[in-house]
Amino acid sequence: DAGVTQSPTHLIKTRGQQVTLRCSPKSGHDTVSWYQQALGQGPQFIFQYYEEEERQRGNFPDRFSGHQFPNYSSELNVNALLLGDSALYLCASSLAGYGANVLTFGAGSRLTVL
Amino acid sequence: AQSVSQHNHHVILSEAASLELGCNYSYGGTVNLFWYVQYPGQHLQLLLKYFSGDPLVKGIKGFEAEFIKSKFSFNLRKPSVQWSDTAEYFCAVNPGRNYGGATNKLIFGTGTLLAVQP
Repeated sequence: DAGVTQSPTHLIKTRGQQVTLRCSPKSGHDTVSWYQQALGQGPQFIFQYYEEEERQRGNFPDRFSGHQFPNYSSELNVNALLLGDSALYLCASSLAGYGANVLTFGAGSRLTVL
Repeated sequence: AQSVSQHNHHVILSEAASLELGCNYSYGGTVNLFWYVQYPGQHLQLLLKYFSGDPLVKGIKGFEAEFIKSKFSFNLRKPSVQWSDTAEYFCAVNPGRNYGGATNKLIFGTGTLLAVQP
């Protein structure tokens, strides 16, 4: 059991639509990061939320946005979907502070854009 | 730009063979280094990590990795692989030391798919 839960596990959308993915962090963790893993690639950092604010952002367009709630859970929103957005979206949680760089990953949400 | 290179994309070994997976990174400052593993149908799991101290770190299931700062490398090793080691292995770098506050991002390599034949 990863401790990080993500929903939905699979979803299919068409180009131009919008999608919301959800993540509940491992109990006791307060930081949530989102990664995109395209087929045959390693995960790529999208952004990170801590204290309900976006703290770091990777090289992703503004179509990708997120939110963190007071209970530390998080959402990833993608607008105006493109075919290239098809990927596995991973949520990872951690606890802020020194040595906080150990991430616990969820199983991911697999998005297919047709 | 910061990057992580994993030289082997696919590795096929027989059980009991020795394993070494290469990982090189491009970042001149302080780094934290990780190997993650993804078994078939499972989520990414931490195999081992290096923050500081002894450059030879030991992880779960008999894996170890050696940090060689001069070579910007963090190769993963196991003396004798088992069929259950079949998985995809990812090297990751966290550039910069975290002294508190939110976690820094991880930069992942493209992964090495290991198949161990019984």
